[in-house]
Amino acid sequence: AQSVAQPEDQVNVAEGNPLTVKCTYSVSGNPYLFWYVQYPNRGLQFLLKYITGDNLVKGSYGFEAEFNKSQTSFHLKKPSALVSDSALYFCAVRDIGFSGGYNKLIFGAGTRLAVHP
Amino acid sequence: DVKVTQSSRYLVKRTGEKVFLECVQDMDHENMFWYRQDPGLGLRLIYFSYDVKMKEKGDIPEGYSVSREKKERFSLILESASTNQTSMYLCASSFFGQGAYNSPLHFGNGTRLTVT
Repeated sequence: AQSVAQPEDQVNVAEGNPLTVKCTYSVSGNPYLFWYVQYPNRGLQFLLKYITGDNLVKGSYGFEAEFNKSQTSFHLKKPSALVSDSALYFCAVRDIGFSGGYNKLIFGAGTRLAVHP
Repeated sequence: DVKVTQSSRYLVKRTGEKVFLECVQDMDHENMFWYRQDPGLGLRLIYFSYDVKMKEKGDIPEGYSVSREKKERFSLILESASTNQTSMYLCASSFFGQGAYNSPLHFGNGTRLTVT
């Protein structure tokens, strides 16, 4: 069965420092991986996705993610954190148990990112 | 931009009440989803629909039903609300078709339901 794990409940980083939010996955076959962000009192917003191709994927708001097949990881990164990046981040994998265009996603538990001034 | 609108931000209901959560999307998407969000559990799929009047159970359908009479609207129904259904409910939509498997979901802002 497909699954994703986000091993850290919370990540704390100082503004201006690089940040990493970790995600590992377990899938049979090729993974389709996504990162979403949730700001307070809002729904989830799409950040980026990995389908195939380059292992470094660039997304919205200066975020990028590195796909590592041997380590089954898809860590979210940003070179210089902003206080406004403080939010809840979710990693997700497409559930390939569903065919066609259902696009059902399996989400991790989420990691709260706190960026301190 | 895709807009997914959930009719209520906050709801307070009593145990045993029938509760309707409404969701409307304006991008003519075929797929619509209801997720439940709880701390430490992430998002769990309750039901989804890939066409009008079509629905499929997700991972936690017990105690819920759905209705999709029009393409743009997807309703979640709690037949008899219980305190363990206190949660944040998120609606999402996406298109169906070639390439849909890697298209992102578009989420509403959520409805925080409290059952007392």
